[in-house]
Amino acid sequence: ETGVTQSPTHLIKTRGQQVTLRCSSQSGHNTVSWYQQALGQGPQFIFQYYREEENGRGNFPPRFSGLQFPNYSSELNVNALELDDSALYLCASSWGVYNEQFFGPGTRLTVL
Amino acid sequence: SQQGEEDPQALSIQEGENATMNCSYKTSINNLQWYRQNSGRGLVHLILIRSNEREKHSGRLRVTLDTSKKSSSLLITASRAADTASYFCATDSGGGSEKLVFGKGMKLTVNP
Repeated sequence: ETGVTQSPTHLIKTRGQQVTLRCSSQSGHNTVSWYQQALGQGPQFIFQYYREEENGRGNFPPRFSGLQFPNYSSELNVNALELDDSALYLCASSWGVYNEQFFGPGTRLTVL
Repeated sequence: SQQGEEDPQALSIQEGENATMNCSYKTSINNLQWYRQNSGRGLVHLILIRSNEREKHSGRLRVTLDTSKKSSSLLITASRAADTASYFCATDSGGGSEKLVFGKGMKLTVNP
């Protein structure tokens, strides 16, 4: 157990809908990174938040957005869902941007 | 885009045997990390090796890094059935946003 929690565990949405995924970072961690993992692939970096500011973004369209709160928990929002957004969404927390990232159990999103 | 590439993509061994996984990457790195993933769930951090280190041990794990060849290996000694999982290498190239770039992963099966 890493102390990183994510909710919900599973989610089913239809194309065009919007979704919000949540992540609580490990105690003492101020950095949260989000990753998308398609079936059979390695995780792909979406973006990172450090002390409530976005600190880097991967190759994802603007309909993927995020937020980090003062307690360092974080949200990932995806608008206008597409079938290809079906994946496991992982968040990882760390102390600062240069240290080990500890992952939560993930949210499995299915878009129909 | 994937940076690391694990080799082999799948490995099946008997309990008690050693398992070696290799990872190659393309660009210079700050550090390289190995993760384990069980059944499409969250990633478990195994070990981090920095670019100025050549070898690191943690329990039954031994990691080597050869920056001149842009490659790393993970050795699991005296494997157990519980080691059955997918293993990923992830590189951290620096540049401020310490995103992790993952390979596609390697499936290890340890038969009892």
